[in-house]
Amino acid sequence: DAKTTQPPSMDCAEGRAANLPCNHSTISGNEYVYWYRQIHSQGPQYIIHGLKNNETNEMASLIITEDRKSSTLILPHATLRDTAVYYCIVRVDNAGNMLTFGGGTRLMVKP
Amino acid sequence: DAGVIQSPRHEVTEMGQEVTLRCKPISGHNSLFWYRQTMMRGLELLIYFNNNVPIDDSGMPEDRFSAKMPNASFSTLKIQPSEPRDSAVYFCASTTRSYNEQFFGPGTRLTVL
Repeated sequence: DAKTTQPPSMDCAEGRAANLPCNHSTISGNEYVYWYRQIHSQGPQYIIHGLKNNETNEMASLIITEDRKSSTLILPHATLRDTAVYYCIVRVDNAGNMLTFGGGTRLMVKP
Repeated sequence: DAGVIQSPRHEVTEMGQEVTLRCKPISGHNSLFWYRQTMMRGLELLIYFNNNVPIDDSGMPEDRFSAKMPNASFSTLKIQPSEPRDSAVYFCASTTRSYNEQFFGPGTRLTVL
């Protein structure tokens, strides 16, 4: 049972902002939105997470709608090294809990 | 900090052979996860441990798969006997309650001929 829905692929021009959407209409009140990415042949890498407020770190920004049914991951200035599969995951914020990966969005950053 | 260490990085074996994958989590982490990634099924959790105790092994596909964590710094995933459909990349990840993120190792690419 998929908890999140993401477009299978997206393109972005190098230097432009990449906006990756995620729908999570059945999210529970105690579930956070997490984003991971997987660069080819590497293990997944944590990017950012949030509950209901917008969040920003050195890698990206996370915008969560007021009803929390969808969110957008923003890479402000995409580079070729940002080409990867991006996974949106909802889960209770307990480090001991597992991650359930969906299909993700394959982002291709083009020169 | 060396990160999560997995060995071997690549393993090629023949059907019916026993395969053992190894993982050393980051020092101080008390949760350890084994994932498998294939083109058909994507990334799926096999089993995870908290404080060396298996918590959820519902993702382990069959009795041919077994995992152990004898101490806080070492875990193994064993497949016996191996089959071609076990060919995949196997990732180990670790974390602790101080973090919100899981730290993944580089993976072991298993090919069963």
